[in-house]
Amino acid sequence: GAGVSQTPSNKVTEKGKYVELRCDPISGHTALYWYRQSLGQGPEFLIYFQGTGAADDSGLPNDRFFAVRPEGSVSTLKIQRTERGDSAVYLCASSSQGNTEAFFGQGTRLTVV
Amino acid sequence: GENVEQHPSTLSVQEGDSAVIKCTYSDSASNYFPWYKQELGKRPQLIIDIRSNVGEKKDQRIAVTLNKTAKHFSLHITETQPEDSAVYFCAASTTNNNDMRFGAGTRLTVKP
Repeated sequence: GAGVSQTPSNKVTEKGKYVELRCDPISGHTALYWYRQSLGQGPEFLIYFQGTGAADDSGLPNDRFFAVRPEGSVSTLKIQRTERGDSAVYLCASSSQGNTEAFFGQGTRLTVV
Repeated sequence: GENVEQHPSTLSVQEGDSAVIKCTYSDSASNYFPWYKQELGKRPQLIIDIRSNVGEKKDQRIAVTLNKTAKHFSLHITETQPEDSAVYFCAASTTNNNDMRFGAGTRLTVKP
């Protein structure tokens, strides 16, 4: 069956631009997570959705970052006024409910030049 | 929020030896502890998990132990093989909050 899908797989953008990263979770999974992973580091928690609502957005680094999940399925992570420090792999994961196995997407490698 | 610490950051063992990776967590309400393996350029994949109602779980060459009193859990890999070489991450989450937090990872190298 289809796993978690993230698009694009790679994104190069100029400093100051706006980007959107998309995550298609496994069908029926109510829990959705966004993480950011820098080279050699563990996944850094950004935000967690249960259904349509952001149950915990405490990991978003600042107000340039925002995420939505309007219909409780696809989620979009939005980054405004990108900075070079935003360069990382952005991972999305979903699980059938919270506190169970989370399945990861392949990630979007964002490079801000 | 939950804080997960993982040690060591790198681990090198000879093929056939055992490898142990340790994690501690801060939130006593955490009750789900998965371990993920991430090969170079690939997504993290679950290899084993444990819930707080058990102290140990084993699956072939891998096992996880949990000490809730001390708030630490460990991954044990026996009879290591070169294909075990990867980065391993521990994580912790709670029933109420569910925002799974990860350790910084351990890069395991198994030398043939």
